[in-house]
Amino acid sequence: AQTVTQSQPEMSVQEAETVTLSCTYDTSESDYYLFWYKQPPSRQMILVIRQEAYKQQNATENRFSVNFQKAAKSFSLKISDSQLGDAAMYFCAYRRGSNYQLIWGAGTKLIIKP
Amino acid sequence: DAGVTQSPTHLIKTRGQQVTLRCSPKSGHDTVSWYQQALGQGPQFIFQYYEEEERQRGNFPDRFSGHQFPNYSSELNVNALLLGDSALYLCASSYGQPDTDTQYFGPGTRLTVL
Repeated sequence: AQTVTQSQPEMSVQEAETVTLSCTYDTSESDYYLFWYKQPPSRQMILVIRQEAYKQQNATENRFSVNFQKAAKSFSLKISDSQLGDAAMYFCAYRRGSNYQLIWGAGTKLIIKP
Repeated sequence: DAGVTQSPTHLIKTRGQQVTLRCSPKSGHDTVSWYQQALGQGPQFIFQYYEEEERQRGNFPDRFSGHQFPNYSSELNVNALLLGDSALYLCASSYGQPDTDTQYFGPGTRLTVL
């Protein structure tokens, strides 16, 4: 069975600095997708970034980028120039290519210090 | 362009009762997935509806059932409520097939079972 592990329950970073959130996953599949979602106190889960496993290039969305290491089954999220609005729970999620179910990690709480 | 909407926002029920939660997908989306998120945890997949049929189901008992209407909106029904059903219920919508199935979430319904 596929699993997703986020080993950092909580991280803190100074405003304007860079922080990296870790995620590892376990799968025997070759076709899959990985996601980072953000859940602020408002509760709504917001898509941050998506990575297709077949793509070598790391996905980037403005200040958010990933380091996708397929052989190591690692998918970390880097947030550059952290802003107060980035404070939230961050969840890593996995989906097998032929499947529709998202499998989630336990989340990392990100605190931004002003 | 309206995003995913859910109703109600909060709900309080007692053990043994039945509850219905509602979701309207993002414009242009035809697929609705439901997730249960217990406090302090990542979401767990309940099921997904496509073309008014349950396309895939997670590891949830038959007390959890759903429906999708011709306009793609969906309902989640939970019978014989247990205290352990207290959670945030998230609805996500997406379009079509696995390679395009990026799920966008609504704000959730907080269910409390007393």
